[in-house]
Amino acid sequence: DVKVTQSSRYLVKRTGEKVFLECVQDMDHENMFWYRQDPGLGLRLIYFSYDVKMKEKGDIPEGYSVSREKKERFSLILESASTNQTSMYLCASSFWNQPQHFGDGTRLSIL
Amino acid sequence: ELKVEQNPLFLSMQEGKNYTIYCNYSTTSDRLYWYRQDPGKSLESLFVLLSNGAVKQEGRLMASLDTKARLSTLHITAAVHDLSATYFCAVDPNYGGSQGNLIFGKGTKLSVKP
Repeated sequence: DVKVTQSSRYLVKRTGEKVFLECVQDMDHENMFWYRQDPGLGLRLIYFSYDVKMKEKGDIPEGYSVSREKKERFSLILESASTNQTSMYLCASSFWNQPQHFGDGTRLSIL
Repeated sequence: ELKVEQNPLFLSMQEGKNYTIYCNYSTTSDRLYWYRQDPGKSLESLFVLLSNGAVKQEGRLMASLDTKARLSTLHITAAVHDLSATYFCAVDPNYGGSQGNLIFGKGTKLSVKP
């Protein structure tokens, strides 16, 4: 079975902090994705990557950056956390146009 | 810009009844996915629909795709409590050349009551 592992289930940080969310997949997938999920808004794509060191902006990239130094790892970075970035963050991976496999999510609170 | 609209957003059903969730999208696409999310859990892939007229069935759920109408449906037959979850449709915006990214609908929260 595909395993997508996110480093933390719950995280509490303060405004202005630099926050790192880590995601690792074990199926050699080319594509990796970061979403945020908010009530009433569904899933919104922040960034995705289709290869090592490649990244593409999604629908809501402002305030975020990403890093993909190795194929299996995709990191989401909040450069200077703000309260409006409190959310559930979901990482996913896939082979090209195959269904995406999701991690369990990180519930991030910014105080 | 591709938009994906699901309706209804909330659905309360009685066990044993049938119902349909609709997923409309605004521009041409040839690839649509359905996912399920249980409370507090992550998303699980249910169906992939790849062509006009595609129909997939798993247990009490059946999904179909009409690319000309830009519409997918998820039909629930004889609902049971275990089907209570949030269902998302997701559309590939890259017609003819997928990059793998998807646009998700807002989800339909289904509650099946005895």
